[in-house]
Amino acid sequence: GENVEQHPSTLSVQEGDSAVIKCTYSDSASNYFPWYKQELGKGPQLIIDIRSNVGEKKDQRIAVTLNKTAKHFSLHITETQPEDSAVYFCAAKRGSYQLTFGKGTKLSVIP
Amino acid sequence: NAGVTQTPKFRVLKTGQSMTLLCAQDMNHEYMYWYRQDPGMGLRLIHYSVGEGTTAKGEVPDGYNVSRLKKQNFLLGLESAAPSQTSVYFCASTHGLAATDTQYFGPGTRLTVL
Repeated sequence: GENVEQHPSTLSVQEGDSAVIKCTYSDSASNYFPWYKQELGKGPQLIIDIRSNVGEKKDQRIAVTLNKTAKHFSLHITETQPEDSAVYFCAAKRGSYQLTFGKGTKLSVIP
Repeated sequence: NAGVTQTPKFRVLKTGQSMTLLCAQDMNHEYMYWYRQDPGMGLRLIHYSVGEGTTAKGEVPDGYNVSRLKKQNFLLGLESAAPSQTSVYFCASTHGLAATDTQYFGPGTRLTVL
């Protein structure tokens, strides 16, 4: 089955700096890669996603890049703000198969 | 439109006790899921349902049972709770099984088994 590795497990950045979280996946047939943000005491919420036929997608301060050859994808957050502090999860999916999640990255943005 | 709701929010059980977690969604979604979240382990799929009356095992199904008697509800049962089942449980739903169908998550149930 699919295996998703996520790094780093914790990340601290100064407010205004950029943050990058990286994930690798094992199943070359995976074709959908969502990113979820989980705030304290809440359920995960989709923030951005990318399909395998797209190399990069951007939504305001967040962007996701995908390298199919290397089987890795990354989340980029620019101009970080304290409200970006949360746990972020990457995931991979192949067709109608179930989502496989990474183990999460705790991002702390220091004011 | 409440989305996905879960009941209860918190629960403490003694080893051997039973309980049922309720998940409800008002988006008319066909597919529903139960995950558990443990520190450093991410989200792991327990059971899922592809429609009313149908359920299937996920990655970590042992010790749990589920039922989907109504389309909008998905129940997760623990017949004899064990300390290893101490976790945060999340329910999720999707409209379909297409690769890009977004999973919507509930707020979670924090369960402690003593």
